[in-house]
Amino acid sequence: GAGVSQSPRYKVAKRGQDVALRCDPISGHVSLFWYQQALGQGPEFLTYFQNEAQLDKSGLPSDRFFAERPEGSVSTLKIQRTQQEDSAVYLCASSLGTGRARPQHFGDGTRLSIL
Amino acid sequence: AQRVTQPEKLLSVFKGAPVELKCNYSYSGSPELFWYVQYSRQRLQLLLRHISRESIKGFTADLNKGETSFHLKKPFAQEEDSAMYYCALINAGGTSYGKLTFGQGTILTVHP
Repeated sequence: GAGVSQSPRYKVAKRGQDVALRCDPISGHVSLFWYQQALGQGPEFLTYFQNEAQLDKSGLPSDRFFAERPEGSVSTLKIQRTQQEDSAVYLCASSLGTGRARPQHFGDGTRLSIL
Repeated sequence: AQRVTQPEKLLSVFKGAPVELKCNYSYSGSPELFWYVQYSRQRLQLLLRHISRESIKGFTADLNKGETSFHLKKPFAQEEDSAMYYCALINAGGTSYGKLTFGQGTILTVHP
């Protein structure tokens, strides 16, 4: 079956532009996570959704970052007024539920480059 | 705060040699530990988890709570094991929803 799908795979934007990154989780997966992976680093948590509810956004680095999942399936991560430090790979992961019994399945990520 | 440390950024071994990728963690609750792997041009995928006590592709990892470690081991490395390996933990207690905390990763290269 299809895994987690992210688009675009690559995005280049000029500093100050807004960008939107899309995540299509595995069908039926309740939990959805966004992670940011800077070059040479491990992924870092950004935000978490359970269905359409955003239950944790403690990892979002600034109020320029906004995420939504209005119908409990597809999610969009939006970054406004992009800065060079936003350059990273943005990973989306989904799982059937929460906690230890539910492994997370990752997408290929979106590589964002801010010029 | 929870933290995962992988002290080796790079690790090189020859085919057939034993390999050990180190992982240490700090967490005050009840953690669950994982190893994730990313092969070249592929997505991040789960390799193994400590609660399963399983061996995947010849790899094993034992949780040592006394040393707060979860090192990944394989007795005889293969060239196809060359990849980036991440150690990660989840808060497995209470009302946790499963947010992962990752280490910085170790690039394993197995030479022929």
